[in-house]
Amino acid sequence: EVQLQQSGPEVGRPGSSVKISCKASGYTFTDYVMNWVKQSPGQGLEWIGWIDPEYGSTDYAEKFKKKATLTADTSSNTAYIQLSSLTSEDTATYFCARCEGDTRVSFNWFAYWGQGTLVTVSS
Amino acid sequence: DTVLTQSPALAVSPGERVSISCRASEGVNSYMHWYQQKPGQQPKLLIYKASNLASGVPARFSGSGSGTDFTLTIDPVEADDTATYFCQQSWNDPTFGGGTKLELK
Repeated sequence: EVQLQQSGPEVGRPGSSVKISCKASGYTFTDYVMNWVKQSPGQGLEWIGWIDPEYGSTDYAEKFKKKATLTADTSSNTAYIQLSSLTSEDTATYFCARCEGDTRVSFNWFAYWGQGTLVTVSS
Repeated sequence: DTVLTQSPALAVSPGERVSISCRASEGVNSYMHWYQQKPGQQPKLLIYKASNLASGVPARFSGSGSGTDFTLTIDPVEADDTATYFCQQSWNDPTFGGGTKLELK
């Protein structure tokens, strides 16, 4: 059974950084790209970017290129997202999502999701 | 970015049929997918590539469309279907619709 287990809620001060983890199990971690998605309170969903754990390659939505950094540790089957220079706009729930699709990195859909990690930015 | 437009809310009675629409600002071929999200939970994949039922999803759910106009249909609606439904395209960089909140009368 595919499972994505995310780390717990985070509180960050304005201007600081937070790092969230997503531990994968039930499949070969390097076989699939991992995506990250943001959901602001009461709002819709925004794609942040993806990381290919096998090659370490990444792609980001333009809006998040200076905000998010995606990494992956193949020894522990864990993907990470670091959010920097936090502002109130970053208060949201962040999901990791494993995709499936017609190619490795595009034309795909989010078949499995983590439970989400709430990040609250507060002084 | 490809903008996806959904109606904000719908209300139906159990046992009825409901159609939830999603319109794309440009053609996305068949790369439209649908998710269900209940409060406090992660989204759940229902339909991929416009009309393919995801594993474990009841056959009450179906999808149709291509190009710019897509529909998610639930027939018949059950009480447990109360949720917000999102469409997502992957023809270009992924974007999501704003969601349609389905309420039961």
